[in-house]
Amino acid sequence: GAGVSQSPSNKVTEKGKDVELRCDPISGHTALYWYRQSLGQGLEFLIYFQGNSAPDKSGLPSDRFSAERTGGSVSTLTIQRTQQEDSAVYLCASSLRQGPTEAFFGQGTRLTVV
Amino acid sequence: AQSVTQPDIHITVSEGASLELRCNYSYGATPYLFWYVQSPGQGLQLLLKYFSGDTLVQGIKGFEAEFKRSQSSFNLRKPSVHWSDAAEYFCAVGATGGGNKLTFGTGTQLKVEL
Repeated sequence: GAGVSQSPSNKVTEKGKDVELRCDPISGHTALYWYRQSLGQGLEFLIYFQGNSAPDKSGLPSDRFSAERTGGSVSTLTIQRTQQEDSAVYLCASSLRQGPTEAFFGQGTRLTVV
Repeated sequence: AQSVTQPDIHITVSEGASLELRCNYSYGATPYLFWYVQSPGQGLQLLLKYFSGDTLVQGIKGFEAEFKRSQSSFNLRKPSVHWSDAAEYFCAVGATGGGNKLTFGTGTQLKVEL
């Protein structure tokens, strides 16, 4: 695609439910990143993929958060047993390679846990 | 660990006036530095980046930034602001190892008065 695509754009879920957020990176981009943007916490790194492997998961806030990437392309971020503090905008980015290069961001998924 | 400080949370300028947004970073090696802009409800768009070489870098929309190693700064400038520049601006530093995960500053919200 022309850019990084994220779906859904908005998600409202009840506390305790599981949610899946999807990211389609730019075709050919081998590196993929998830970030979270929330009031009071700013933009936080969650996880980084190079191909299908995740060499850096250091930003995942708890074991309720997981992510996978298949075929070196689409990635899914899963949050289990959602809590109100999970409410945030989840941003996905991709880049052509690892190392110093431009990362392109999607428009994000706004998650609201009620 | 790297960190980024954007000391100004809000800045208001008149249309046509010059602009400087401050960014200070902390990083043990040569940093890779970025400025991104975010309009309401949108993802992040890259304005400019510094990896090496000329310390004055030009970006899109008439923005420029100067890397000053001695001051650990990477301030963003624009000689004449347009009303459409109103947005939130983020400075970020990229890690040189283990991918290019970004550490962001807390952002500066720019308001442009007509």
